[in-house]
Amino acid sequence: GAVVSQHPSRVICKSGTSVKIECRSLDFQATTMFWYRQFPKQSLMLMATSNEGSKATYEQGVEKDKFLINHASLTLSTLTVTSAHPEDSSFYICSVSNGQGRQPQHFGDGTRLSIL
Amino acid sequence: GQQLNQSPQSMFIQEGEDVSMNCTSSSIFNTWLWYKQEPGEGPVLLIALYKAGELTSNGRLTAQFGITRKDSFLNISASIPSDVGIYFCAGLRGIQGAQKLVFGQGTRLTINP
Repeated sequence: GAVVSQHPSRVICKSGTSVKIECRSLDFQATTMFWYRQFPKQSLMLMATSNEGSKATYEQGVEKDKFLINHASLTLSTLTVTSAHPEDSSFYICSVSNGQGRQPQHFGDGTRLSIL
Repeated sequence: GQQLNQSPQSMFIQEGEDVSMNCTSSSIFNTWLWYKQEPGEGPVLLIALYKAGELTSNGRLTAQFGITRKDSFLNISASIPSDVGIYFCAGLRGIQGAQKLVFGQGTRLTINP
């Protein structure tokens, strides 16, 4: 069964809108969640690491004020794309890890964000 | 960000053929993972490799963790139509609690029936 639930699966909205994406860990308490962005025909690029109860760690070049991450519980992390513009259109995917040793990350089904 | 060098970028094969793809890096990884992604979905874990030299199978899939810890390959035997998709290698680096995945560019597999 699914390990990660991501919602919504698709969003289409106007430029300037803020969009919130949820990522839920279904099978275990995820101390760490990851947010990736994937442009068409490209690989996954890590945007940020979300740690429960502390501030997210952003990768170089990712604006923390643009992509707000909240990891308020061990099963839920949210990514909010603030004042979205067409160039923010992409496939956003979260993954979860239980942080134990070298356990692999399990991915959600992704959110297709289209900004008009 | 850094990516792994994955090849080939795409493959067009006949159903029943075997498939081989690989990833290389200039850096050492302590875990190698292979994922498959289908259109509009997130990657699904196929095989995880934890030790240098490890050879692991999952049905028709076989993957190996290179002895130098800088490379890995994935083989698919007797391909079937449902094998179509994009295959990604990923290397895990960092210390516990601060580990990150680095992905290859992907191998797009197309199968002619």
